[in-house]
Amino acid sequence: NAGVTQTPKFQVLKTGQSMTLQCAQDMNHNSMYWYRQDPGMGLRLIYYSASEGTTDKGEVPNGYNVSRLNKREFSLRLESAAPSQTSVYFCASADRGVEKLFFGSGTQLSVL
Amino acid sequence: QQQVKQSPQSLIVQKGGISIINCAYENTAFDYFPWYQQFPGKGPALLIAIRPDVSEKKEGRFTISFNKSAKQFSLHIMDSQPGDSATYFCAASIEAGGFKTIFGAGTRLFVKA
Repeated sequence: NAGVTQTPKFQVLKTGQSMTLQCAQDMNHNSMYWYRQDPGMGLRLIYYSASEGTTDKGEVPNGYNVSRLNKREFSLRLESAAPSQTSVYFCASADRGVEKLFFGSGTQLSVL
Repeated sequence: QQQVKQSPQSLIVQKGGISIINCAYENTAFDYFPWYQQFPGKGPALLIAIRPDVSEKKEGRFTISFNKSAKQFSLHIMDSQPGDSATYFCAASIEAGGFKTIFGAGTRLFVKA
């Protein structure tokens, strides 16, 4: 029972490089989320997808794009990475809205 | 602005003691208040949650106390154990039709053996 799987686990980028963080869930959940976690800031919502085919901005969407490829997969893209995007990124899914979010194990991203 | 304020930032408790983490919120539209537990290198996991129609919810050693008029809620961990050492996040959201969960800044709990 894998739950929510994120790849990669670690990544180092240079300023201006692009990359895509991948997320897949095997629980047949409708909604999926991308959060970033920074010390002293808790978790902040970047983008979410309420259902397959829809995406919406969260609290801190600037500098990011997302794709809900199908019901299972939700990817996060950094087009031109900046040092301010150094963070730990978590993907989450839920069966219904905000009730019981299931999180992946995170991607630690450093932008130099 | 921080919609959910959590304190303390860090907490050290002796084994067997009571750990108390407090949170306060501003938006009276919030109607679902979960607590998440996170171990190092892992994602957060739902620990316990409460809705504002009750003042207390208990699950094992974990209890949420909720004060709607004060817009405050707290997590009590009774008989704290070293295995409880983790980061705890309170959160708030609007459940019906909502998809945005606002998290507190987190509390790092260390339980001394």
